[in-house]
Amino acid sequence: DAGVIQSPRHEVTEMGQEVTLRCKPISGHDYLFWYRQTMMRGLELLIYFNNNVPIDDSGMPEDRFSAKMPNASFSTLKIQPSEPRDSAVYFCASSPTNPGLEAVTQYFGPGTRLTVL
Amino acid sequence: KQEVTQIPAALSVPEGENLVLNCSFTDSAIYNLQWFRQDPGKGLTSLLLIQSSQREQTSGRLNASLDKSSGRSTLYIAASQPGDSATYLCAVTSKRDDKIIFGKGTRLHILP
Repeated sequence: DAGVIQSPRHEVTEMGQEVTLRCKPISGHDYLFWYRQTMMRGLELLIYFNNNVPIDDSGMPEDRFSAKMPNASFSTLKIQPSEPRDSAVYFCASSPTNPGLEAVTQYFGPGTRLTVL
Repeated sequence: KQEVTQIPAALSVPEGENLVLNCSFTDSAIYNLQWFRQDPGKGLTSLLLIQSSQREQTSGRLNASLDKSSGRSTLYIAASQPGDSATYLCAVTSKRDDKIIFGKGTRLHILP
C-alpha cells in the first residue's frame, strides 16, 4: 500500500482565499483523522471520521474550517476564508480500528505545509 | 483536561551514548501511550505503543516504559546513532475525551 496520501504537499495562498486540502487514507482503514501542527501549539486533532461519518469535530478552530468524507477513500479539509494564523502543517492519518480501544496506531501522511500571506 | 509534557524540548548527545526521553501526562485515565518519531518535513511514524495495563514495550534498541499512576513514560534509546536524529513525540489516548493528545516533542540530535 502507498500509505496515506495528501495533496498538495505545499500550498501558498493569500489571506481571504479558499484552501482545500486532500487526503486518501489507507485502503480498509475505517478511521480518518485531521491534525494541525504548529510550533506554538504542537499537534492538535481537528476532526475525525469513522466509516465516513464525522464523530468529533470539537477541535475545529472555527466555522471557517470544514471537513468532508464523501467516501471511504477520500477526505477534504477546507478553510474559507483563510487567514495568516492558519499557517501550519496539516496532517491526515488513518487507522484500521479505534486507536484507543483496540491499541492500534495511526498511520500518518506526509502533511501539507500551508502558508497564508 | 489531559495535558502531555515532554522535557527537554531539544537534546544533543554524542553518538554511541544511551539516552532517555521523558514524557509526563496529567490524567492517568488513558487507554494507551505511544511514542512517535517525526523526521523533518515528514509525517509521524509510530515506534512503540504501550497499553494501559502494560509496563513496557521493546523494539530493537528502543525501550518504552509506562508508570500510569505517576503519569510518566520514558523512551530509552541504546547505543544512539546519527540516524536516530529526529523529533520524538509522546501521545496518550485519553479515556475521558476518547482522543489522542500529543506532547510537543523532544528534538534529538546525535552528534557523529
